[in-house]
Amino acid sequence: DAKTTQPTSMDCAEGRAANLPCNHSTISGNEYVYWYRQIHSQGPQYIIHGLKNNETNEMASLIITEDRKSSTLILPHATLRDTAVYYCIGGLNAGGTSYGKLTFGQGTILTVHP
Amino acid sequence: DGGITQSPKYLFRKEGQNVTLSCEQNLNHDAMYWYRQDPGQGLRLIYYSQIVNDFQKGDIAEGYSVSREKKESFPLTVTSAQKNPTAFYLCASSMATENTEAFFGQGTRLTVV
Repeated sequence: DAKTTQPTSMDCAEGRAANLPCNHSTISGNEYVYWYRQIHSQGPQYIIHGLKNNETNEMASLIITEDRKSSTLILPHATLRDTAVYYCIGGLNAGGTSYGKLTFGQGTILTVHP
Repeated sequence: DGGITQSPKYLFRKEGQNVTLSCEQNLNHDAMYWYRQDPGQGLRLIYYSQIVNDFQKGDIAEGYSVSREKKESFPLTVTSAQKNPTAFYLCASSMATENTEAFFGQGTRLTVV
């Protein structure tokens, strides 16, 4: 599974875009990049995932570099309820059987300020 | 509503006692997982099951046991052999296919005194 590196913490002003970076330089060509978030004392919540192309859904956008060594999760208009730990996870193999076997790192603590 | 349910939310046990944590899902998912989370840490995989009557050890299986007799249920037993059982336990489920996400329950916080 690909190891990911994220900043320990980030701050963002309410209403502004939050851009959370993730390095996954060891990711292989068939490994997806997943983002989850966890609000204190709750179960992780799925946000978005991608393989090669940029992705967007109602929660966020995912920008993956062309070499797939890094990605950025974008919350376009952060709210106070977006304060959480954000996990970038690599290694769910396309065509493999490792679905759901998520390897969580420390994640990024995002704090959204009023 | 479809979802994954863990019970109870808080659980207290005396040291040396086995305890079983419940996990039920009505999402018709084939795969289910148990994770452990310690304060300030990420999640670590204990056991997972991709089909009924089959399961595999994850990264930290020692001191735990599971069963998968029904598709909907994946109970986790924390045995007395687990040296440091106090933790937040999370259950998840997913389709057994690629390009899919896992859904998590709200967790059970186990405290052993």
